[in-house]
Amino acid sequence: GNSVTQMEGPVTLSEEAFLTINCTYTATGYPSLFWYVQYPGEGLQLLLKATKADDKGSNKGFEATYRKETTSFHLEKGSVQVSDSAVYFCALSDQHSGAGSYQLTFGKGTKLSVIP
Amino acid sequence: DSGVTQTPKHLITATGQRVTLRCSPRSGDLSVYWYQQSLDQGLQFLIQYYNGEERAKGNILERFSAQQFPDLHSELNLSSLELGDSALYFCASSEKQGPYNEQFFGPGTRLTVL
Repeated sequence: GNSVTQMEGPVTLSEEAFLTINCTYTATGYPSLFWYVQYPGEGLQLLLKATKADDKGSNKGFEATYRKETTSFHLEKGSVQVSDSAVYFCALSDQHSGAGSYQLTFGKGTKLSVIP
Repeated sequence: DSGVTQTPKHLITATGQRVTLRCSPRSGDLSVYWYQQSLDQGLQFLIQYYNGEERAKGNILERFSAQQFPDLHSELNLSSLELGDSALYFCASSEKQGPYNEQFFGPGTRLTVL
């Protein structure tokens, strides 16, 4: 079955530090890959996505590249801010049981805390 | 604001009881998904509806059921509640089906079973 593994948190960084959150996946088909972010007390928001190999998703200074050869989709940001403190989820979307239906399979989430 | 609404925001009940969680998708979205978020299991897909029909089931217990109504809102029914059912329940919606369609998440319903 499909699965997503992402680095365990929590991760604590100083403001302006470089961020990497590792994510690897296992999928039977050709999934789309996503990073979602969950701010305290809120639902998940899509941060970025990539739909095929070598695609790079980017948004708000965050980037991730779909690497089929290493089955990875690592999230990076060059300079984090206090406002980036949140939980980050890596996810994949793949066809479910051949029914033409696609669901998200999530990693466990990585909590990021950025301190001034 | 994602445009997806969920009620109630918080729910506290006792073991053995039954509750109903409600979700209104974004205007025009035909697909509704339910997810459960717990500390030990993480975020797990429960069930999906598309335009009123059940499309896929994930790790949903037999004590749980859902439906999507003609106006496209959805309800998740949880019965014979156990302590382990305490979790955040999210609803998400998307316009169509397919691997590229972004799912928009509601703020969640926090269920506490005492």
